Amino acid sequence: QVQLKESGPGLVQPSETLSLTCTVSGFSLTSYSVSWVRQPSGKGPEWMGRMWYDGDTAYNSALKSRLSISRDTSKNQVFLKMNSLQTDDTGTYYCTRDHSEIAAISPFDYWGQGVMVTVSS
Amino acid sequence: DIQMTQSPASLSASLGETVTIECRASEDIYSNLAWYQQKPGNSPQLLIYDANSLADGVPSRFSGSGSGTQYSLKINSLQSEDVASYFCQQYNNYPPTFGSGTKLEIK
Repeated sequence: QVQLKESGPGLVQPSETLSLTCTVSGFSLTSYSVSWVRQPSGKGPEWMGRMWYDGDTAYNSALKSRLSISRDTSKNQVFLKMNSLQTDDTGTYYCTRDHSEIAAISPFDYWGQGVMVTVSS
Repeated sequence: DIQMTQSPASLSASLGETVTIECRASEDIYSNLAWYQQKPGNSPQLLIYDANSLADGVPSRFSGSGSGTQYSLKINSLQSEDVASYFCQQYNNYPPTFGSGTKLEIK
C-alpha cells in the first residue's frame, strides 16, 4: 500500500539548516509528484514545494530563497533542505503524494505522519 | 497567491445534525477545490476533490458543492468520529493554498 514517512531532527537551532527525508513505498517517484507541506500548530497547512515525477522542482516563492528539494529514486526518497531557520518555521512538516499520476497540479491523497520541528535555542 | 477564506472558524453541532462549512476563494478556481479532514494528532486526509468528488473510502454523508469562488462541504447525520478540523485547498494556481480551517465539535 502507499506510504510516506518523514524523518529528521525534531529540534533545530535558529539560523541553522533543516534537513528532512521522505521515504515512500507503494508507488513510483517517476509516476507521482511529491510535495512538502508544513503546518504551524493550530493553523492551516502551507505548501512549500514539489518534486515533480520527472525530476523538476517547484517552490513556494515565499520560501524559494531558502528551500531546496531533491530526490534519490533508487532509494525511493525525497529530501528537503531549508536554511536560515527562524522560530516561525516551527511546525509539523509533511510529505504528500499527488492524487493524480503525472499531473500538473493535484490535491494530495496520501500524507506522511509528519515530523514536528521546533526551532529554538 | 489565491487566498482561501473559510467560515466558520469553529462549529458545535449535535449528533445526527447536518453541518455546512464554507470556503471562498479570492478568484475563480474552476472547481479545483479539495476538502481535507484532520483529526486531533493525525495528518490531514483527503475527503473531496474537484469540488464534489468523494475520495476513496469516504462515507457518503460527506458531500461537496460549489463553483467559481464559492464552495461548501456538507456533513449529513453528524457522527462522533467527525470531530476534527476541516480545511479547503485550491489547486487551480500555484502555489496551492489552504484555508485556515474549521474546528468541528459535538455539542
